Amino acid sequence: GAVVSQHPSWVICKSGTSVKIECRSLDFQATTMFWYRQFPKQSLMLMATSNEGSKATYEQGVEKDKFLINHASLTLSTLTVTSAHPEDSSFYICSARDFTDTQYFGPGTRLTVL
Amino acid sequence: GESVGLHLPTLSVQEGDNSIINCAYSNSASDYFIWYKQESGKGPQFIIDIRSNMDKRQGQRVTVLLNKTVKHLSLQIAATQPGDSAVYFCAEGGSNDYKLSFGAGTTVTVRA
Repeated sequence: GAVVSQHPSWVICKSGTSVKIECRSLDFQATTMFWYRQFPKQSLMLMATSNEGSKATYEQGVEKDKFLINHASLTLSTLTVTSAHPEDSSFYICSARDFTDTQYFGPGTRLTVL
Repeated sequence: GESVGLHLPTLSVQEGDNSIINCAYSNSASDYFIWYKQESGKGPQFIIDIRSNMDKRQGQRVTVLLNKTVKHLSLQIAATQPGDSAVYFCAEGGSNDYKLSFGAGTTVTVRA
């Protein structure tokens, strides 16, 4: 099956700093990637849709200036959490849509903001 | 927006028995449905999907049933194994934007 990677798998940062998370489709090209957020024992919540070569589309309630998304190529999307605060601590997961429209998910990135 | 829900938050199954996980969805415009498995600390793993023009689809040890009349989706796992212990999510989406809406999840525990 299709493989999606994320880097880093976990990160701890100080409040006020920015953190970049990478999402890569390893064996397929993805015109669309998605970013989700998951709190402990809860479901996944879609944050934004990332399309290669265009601006990301954010879901209602998600601050686009805080969660910067860049879809630089057909295999790479990045999520930057700017001026992170403890309430931004969460599990961030990306997915990539392949040519069959199936979404494959990355392993997730655990962000802890101190 | 509308969301997908699951009937039961937990399911305990004896190893070797069949498991049935249910899901109710509310968006009648959804035409694509997927089941994912998520183990602790990992990302969701694709299990099986079904489109609205079908009512049943089978994979390896899994079967997904779709009842559009009552907006119900189920996942059947045959001969449940300890490795099947995880949280199972159903998700719905549309072929217009492919955005997925996830249900609350059902935690499946397999008893030895």
